[in-house]
Amino acid sequence: DQQVKQNSPSLSVQEGRISILNCDYTNSMFDYFLWYKKYPAEGPTFLISISSIKDKNEDGRFTVFLNKSAKHLSLHIVPSQPGDSAVYFCAASAYAGGTSYGKLTFGQGTILTVHP
Amino acid sequence: EAQVTQNPRYLITVTGKKLTVTCSQNMNHEYMSWYRQDPGLGLRQIYYSMNVEVTDKGDVPEGYKVSRKEKRNFPLILESPSPNQTSLYFCASKSADSYNEQFFGPGTRLTVL
Repeated sequence: DQQVKQNSPSLSVQEGRISILNCDYTNSMFDYFLWYKKYPAEGPTFLISISSIKDKNEDGRFTVFLNKSAKHLSLHIVPSQPGDSAVYFCAASAYAGGTSYGKLTFGQGTILTVHP
Repeated sequence: EAQVTQNPRYLITVTGKKLTVTCSQNMNHEYMSWYRQDPGLGLRQIYYSMNVEVTDKGDVPEGYKVSRKEKRNFPLILESPSPNQTSLYFCASKSADSYNEQFFGPGTRLTVL
């Protein structure tokens, strides 16, 4: 049972335009969400996160939006650059009993290609 | 430089031949974890460790063992590898103070023939 889903395997965008990557989750216990970026032959690197008490978090060109009622989050990249071409994973975790267990549940990933 | 290292980066082996993938971090992180990445499935957690001598199963632990005798090291052991363990493996670590921003190693591409 895939608790975190990224339904778009790939996305192609022109340089300078907005990239929107989407992610849906089913587990209502998830209360912290993250986006990771992965280049070929490298490990995932943390990009941005959001707590369930917020609906938006911004870091430079990257903004994550969270819609708890729809169990949906999205990552906006504005403006998109060719160096943003990578696989993007969304991930979710549940904070249980005062301890962060560190378990991340990942989506399948979306391949973003930004064309010059 | 703060990093998570894994060795080997690439490994081709045969069914049943025991192997160990090493993972080491130099950030004094308490938490370490192993994931495997498979097409269409994203990353799935195999095992994790909250601290030295404390380990627990993740979502897909079958066929794997781990140990945490030192804080910096968290090896992944495949006692009798099978072809369905052919995958890309990642080790990750995080500080107990961090909510969940984990640092990942570069990955180990394992092929079991």
